[in-house]
Amino acid sequence: GAGVSQSPSNKVTEKGKDVELRCDPISGHTALYWYRQSLGQGLEFLIYFQGNSAPDKSGLPSDRFSAERTGGSVSTLTIQRTQQEDSAVYLCASSLRPDSIYGYTFGSGTRLTVV
Amino acid sequence: AQSVSQHNHHVILSEAASLELGCNYSYGGTVNLFWYVQYPGQHLQLLLKYFSGDPLVKGIKGFEAEFIKSKFSFNLRKPSVQWSDTAEYFCAVNARGGYNKLIFGAGTRLAVHP
Repeated sequence: GAGVSQSPSNKVTEKGKDVELRCDPISGHTALYWYRQSLGQGLEFLIYFQGNSAPDKSGLPSDRFSAERTGGSVSTLTIQRTQQEDSAVYLCASSLRPDSIYGYTFGSGTRLTVV
Repeated sequence: AQSVSQHNHHVILSEAASLELGCNYSYGGTVNLFWYVQYPGQHLQLLLKYFSGDPLVKGIKGFEAEFIKSKFSFNLRKPSVQWSDTAEYFCAVNARGGYNKLIFGAGTRLAVHP
């Protein structure tokens, strides 16, 4: 597609439920990133996929968070047993290569609200 | 590991005022530097970037940024702001070469009053 697509755009869930957030990167982009943007804070790095390399999971805040990327394209971020502090906008970005001179292209995000 | 510091969290200006948003990074090696902008209700967009060469980088909408290596800074400037520049601005850095993630600052909210 022309841009990075994320779904759903909004998600309200009850505390303790699991949620899955989806990201469709730009076709041909080998690098895919997940960030979290909380109210009044910057973008917090979560996880990074690059081609067939092992993902960089150093930003995942707890073992309730996991992500996978199937076939080097679509990625799913899963949050288990959601907590209220998980409420944020989850952003996905992709780039042609990690050191891309074009920077990253961001999706519109998924706004997650845990009630 | 690299980090990014944006000194101003909120900036309020009148139209035609000059703008300078501070950004300092912490990393001992060579870096790529970026400024992103997020207009209200929109997704993040690349404003400008520095990889190498002329340290004064010009971006879209009249913005520019200057990389000062000795100060580890990459401040964003615009001589005369417009109401439409109201947005949140993020500075970001990644280490040059290899597979290195982009690290963002906390952002600066700019409000321009007509």
